[in-house]
Amino acid sequence: DTEVTQTPKHLVMGMTNKKSLKCEQHMGHRAMYWYKQKAKKPPELMFVYSYEKLSINESVPSRFSPECPNSSLLNLHLHALQPEDSALYLCASSQDRHTDTQYFGPGTRLTVL
Amino acid sequence: GESVGLHLPTLSVQEGDNSIINCAYSNSASDYFIWYKQESGKGPQFIIDIRSNMDKRQGQRVTVLLNKTVKHLSLQIAATQPGDSAVYFCAETMNSGYSTLTFGKGTMLLVSP
Repeated sequence: DTEVTQTPKHLVMGMTNKKSLKCEQHMGHRAMYWYKQKAKKPPELMFVYSYEKLSINESVPSRFSPECPNSSLLNLHLHALQPEDSALYLCASSQDRHTDTQYFGPGTRLTVL
Repeated sequence: GESVGLHLPTLSVQEGDNSIINCAYSNSASDYFIWYKQESGKGPQFIIDIRSNMDKRQGQRVTVLLNKTVKHLSLQIAATQPGDSAVYFCAETMNSGYSTLTFGKGTMLLVSP
């Protein structure tokens, strides 16, 4: 089973809203990732968690706040977003930080009004 | 034939043809490479990978070729089917330390019946 699940599938929010994206995997993977993907572009790395600790933050604005409550869950908290933050947000996981086969979830399509 | 659109190169083939998608990677120190398939509205799906100690690897209907001398990767799809229509991304990384996955720009494959 190489399934990564993400909820919600779609999200529309205003610039003053607070919302969260959720990601879950039950493959026993210890590394989890958040990516942002704009239309017709490759995914761009945002954050990496390794053994529930944040190991990479690719200079992402503070209006995006990641959280890893346990080894199976990854959240992305959103606050005061801008319309240019509208994108597909992808979660991925890999066995560990040194095993680079990353498996992706279906993504959350975010629209900021 | 192949054309370069405003953002995404596109390869158009007939059903049953063999397809070849090319990728020039950037880092000569990269030693692990992955091909992902991304269908519209979905997350990237792992297809096949190859390590730098190999120059060819075969899967079901797919073959990846690696030419380290010219930093070139290709994905060959045999007997292309309409269900193969998607955007294909190559990705590279160094399988040591805390390196990250770097994606290529992507190629859209359009398969007509």
